[in-house]
Amino acid sequence: SQKIEQNSEALNIQEGKTATLTCNYTNYSPAYLQWYRQDPGRGPVFLLLIRENEKEKRKERLKVTFDTTLKQSLFHITASQPADSATYLCAPSDSSASKIIFGSGTRLSIRP
Amino acid sequence: GAVVSQHPSWVICKSGTSVKIECRSLDFQATTMFWYRQFPKQSLMLMATSNEGSKATYEQGVEKDKFLINHASLTLSTLTVTSAHPEDSSFYICSATTLTYEQYFGPGTRLTVT
Repeated sequence: SQKIEQNSEALNIQEGKTATLTCNYTNYSPAYLQWYRQDPGRGPVFLLLIRENEKEKRKERLKVTFDTTLKQSLFHITASQPADSATYLCAPSDSSASKIIFGSGTRLSIRP
Repeated sequence: GAVVSQHPSWVICKSGTSVKIECRSLDFQATTMFWYRQFPKQSLMLMATSNEGSKATYEQGVEKDKFLINHASLTLSTLTVTSAHPEDSSFYICSATTLTYEQYFGPGTRLTVT
C-alpha cells in the first residue's frame, strides 16, 4: 500500500538556521507533490507544489526538491524565524490529481 | 491564493442529531472537493472525494450513509453527519482543487457531539 513518511515527528531549530524536512514515499509514483503548513486548530495552508519533471522549486525563503529516483522530497526554510513554527505536511498526488495523501507531518519549532 | 470557506467553524450537537457542514470555494470554481477528518495530534485522513453533479467517492472504512456528501454546484459541497455520536467528534476539513492542481483547504469545522 502507499506509504508516506516524514523524517521526524518534531524538529527543533535555532532561529536563523536552515530547517530541512524530509518526505519519503513508497509504493507510489506521484506526479505532483505539495507542501502545506498547519497551525493548531486550523486547516492546512498551501505553500508549494512541485511536479515530477521539476527538480527544484523556490518561493521566498522556501525551497522544495523532488527526487523521483530516491522517492523523496526535501523542504527547506532558510533564515528560519520563530513564526515559522508549525506542523508541515507533505502531500503527494497522483497523475490525475484526483486526491492527495498526507504524510503524518513534522512539527517544527524555531527557538529564538 | 485561492480561498475556501467552511461554515460553521464549530458546532456542538446532541447525540442522535444530524449536522451539516458547508464548504465553499470563494474565488474559483472547483469541480472536485475533498473532505478530511483530523483527530488530535494526527494527520488528515481523507474521507471522500466530492465531484460536482455526481455521487461522492468514499474511502475505505467511511460509511457513506452516515456521512452524506452533496456537491450541488462548482463552488459548494456539503457534508452531513447523520445520527451523530460522540465518536464522530473531530475536526472536519474540506479542500478544493484548482485547474493547476493546487489544493486549498478551508479553515475547518470543530464538531463536538455530546
